[in-house]
Amino acid sequence: NAGVTQTPKFQVLKTGQSMTLQCAQDMNHEYMSWYRQDPGMGLRLIHYSVGAGITDQGEVPNGYNVSRSTTEDFPLRLLSAAPSQTSVYFCASSDRSRGNYGYTFGSGTRLTVV
Amino acid sequence: AQSVTQLGSHVSVSEGALVLLRCNYSSSVPPYLFWYVQYPNQGLQLLLKYTSAATLVKGINGFEAEFKKSETSFHLTKPSAHMSDAAEYFCAVSAGGTSYGKLTFGQGTILTVHP
Repeated sequence: NAGVTQTPKFQVLKTGQSMTLQCAQDMNHEYMSWYRQDPGMGLRLIHYSVGAGITDQGEVPNGYNVSRSTTEDFPLRLLSAAPSQTSVYFCASSDRSRGNYGYTFGSGTRLTVV
Repeated sequence: AQSVTQLGSHVSVSEGALVLLRCNYSSSVPPYLFWYVQYPNQGLQLLLKYTSAATLVKGINGFEAEFKKSETSFHLTKPSAHMSDAAEYFCAVSAGGTSYGKLTFGQGTILTVHP
């Protein structure tokens, strides 16, 4: 089925470890973004991309890196995990071609840093 | 810069009653506005969106929202609540141009529906 695929669904890390959260979409969307969700704070933008090779920071970028070498993939890297990065992470893609102003979200990755 | 304020972190209604979830936004450019619903341990599902066409927007599951520029509001309503509407609801705003890919969310409103 077409959509946004995130892996893994769950992950436990130790403080200081690094990892990559994967995000892939098969809708040929130009825009992709990463959000983190914390109780009572809604979703906050970490990084986003307006196309392959173009990325920019969002509201809470510290401790995270991204790159976008293809239209389909937008991985999020945690450089040195900290307990404050315990959260649920969502990847989204969007496209406004042909008047379709929609955002599609993945099912999320629940990350715990101990 | 853009921001979203959802009034009321918790709203409780009886089954069959009107649902009203409030959202106010600020944006320096004409906004795109969205309402999303999230059921426990699930992702976000789009309920409806405003993209500068009709100001009254109808969405899925009987929800609708009205864009009021003068009040900078985009409140979500449903005439008759159902038990299955219990979930968390998020209002979000996006600017156009190169900022289109950036969604700013409100803090969310948890809707409880009582029998």
